[in-house]
Amino acid sequence: QQQVKQSPQSLIVQKGGISIINCAYENTAFDYFPWYQQFPGKGPALLIAIRPDVSEKKEGRFTISFNKSAKQFSLHIMDSQPGDSATYFCAASITSYDKVIFGPGTSLSVIP
Amino acid sequence: DADVTQTPRNRITKTGKRIMLECSQTKGHDRMYWYRQDPGLGLQLIYYSFDVKDINKGEISDGYSVSRQAQAKFSLSLESAIPNQTALYFCATSDANQPQHFGDGTRLSIL
Repeated sequence: QQQVKQSPQSLIVQKGGISIINCAYENTAFDYFPWYQQFPGKGPALLIAIRPDVSEKKEGRFTISFNKSAKQFSLHIMDSQPGDSATYFCAASITSYDKVIFGPGTSLSVIP
Repeated sequence: DADVTQTPRNRITKTGKRIMLECSQTKGHDRMYWYRQDPGLGLQLIYYSFDVKDINKGEISDGYSVSRQAQAKFSLSLESAIPNQTALYFCATSDANQPQHFGDGTRLSIL
């Protein structure tokens, strides 16, 4: 049973467009929701993270939207660039427990 | 130099062989983790350690063992490798309640 669901599995966006990746979770004890970005041949790297006491967090072109009642959160990449082409993982954890549960990942391709 | 170093980066071996994957870090973090990545499944936690004398099983520990030789070193062993353990393996480190930092992975193929 997947504790963190993620969609779509793959995504193709034109340069300058908006990329949207959606995630959902079941465990209401989760209190930390990071997104990781992974380039081929590299390990995942933290991109942006949010806690459930806020509904949105923005860092540059990357925004997390969080809906606590629906137990859903999403990553929006504005003005998508070819350099954003990577695999993106949403994740969730219980801070005091310190184990991160990852979604299955979304492969993003930004085409010129 | 990378903060989290995994060796080897690639390994091909045969069914039944004993394999050891090594991870070392220069970040000074107490917590270290081993994950397995398979296409469409994301990363699954194999084992984790919160300090040198602490070892904990993750979601998929069967068929694996670990050793925390020092604060900076955490190794993963496959005692008798089988083909369905073919995957990409990642080591990560963190401080308490802080984001995890990943190495660049070991691609393991078991024939």
